[in-house]
Amino acid sequence: DGGITQSPKYLFRKEGQNVTLSCEQNLNHDAMYWYRQDPGQGLRLIYYSQIVNDFQKGDIAEGYSVSREKKESFPLTVTSAQKNPTAFYLCATNLKRGLDTGELFFGEGSRLTVL
Amino acid sequence: AQKVTQAQTEISVVEKEDVTLDCVYETRDTTYYLFWYKQPPSGELVFLIRRNSFDEQNEISGRYSWNFQKSTSSFNFTITASQVVDSAVYFCALSEPNQGGSEKLVFGKGTKLTVNP
Repeated sequence: DGGITQSPKYLFRKEGQNVTLSCEQNLNHDAMYWYRQDPGQGLRLIYYSQIVNDFQKGDIAEGYSVSREKKESFPLTVTSAQKNPTAFYLCATNLKRGLDTGELFFGEGSRLTVL
Repeated sequence: AQKVTQAQTEISVVEKEDVTLDCVYETRDTTYYLFWYKQPPSGELVFLIRRNSFDEQNEISGRYSWNFQKSTSSFNFTITASQVVDSAVYFCALSEPNQGGSEKLVFGKGTKLTVNP
């Protein structure tokens, strides 16, 4: 089946630990994104990547890191520098069509809780 | 800066009622796209519609309809004869394409719709 797979779905972490969230897609989409969702806050962009080996910071990149070594994969690391990491994290992809903005396709999300 | 405002935080209706979700946006660009997404309790966002800034025609898809008015910078979403399965959080979003293709979506804070039987 084509789609976006995020793992793990639920993750618990102790303060001071880094944790990596996985995002894999088999849609052959060029662009990939990480959003963070907090209750009542909507979605905020953390990082995005338009092409392999390239990525840009979004609005709330501090305390996070990413890599894009393969087209299919865009893992997000939540570092100990992130002050409030407890949140719902959503990965998305977008098939670039020149200057046309297509819709984003989302994974099912990963819920991170810091104990 | 781009901004999307969904003033209604929560709406509760009884099944079969019509309900309209408001979305007001701010942008300086003349070319942009607007979106609506649905987020059911499972968490995954489901795409509903995309509209570009040059197309002000209203759109209807089954029980869903959208009213785009550039004059008031609004892109409202109406569900006719609501059903319990429509219960979800609905997000309005704005994107601006650029030469680099770095499309990003700016989301509103969402409206939680509860449809009671």
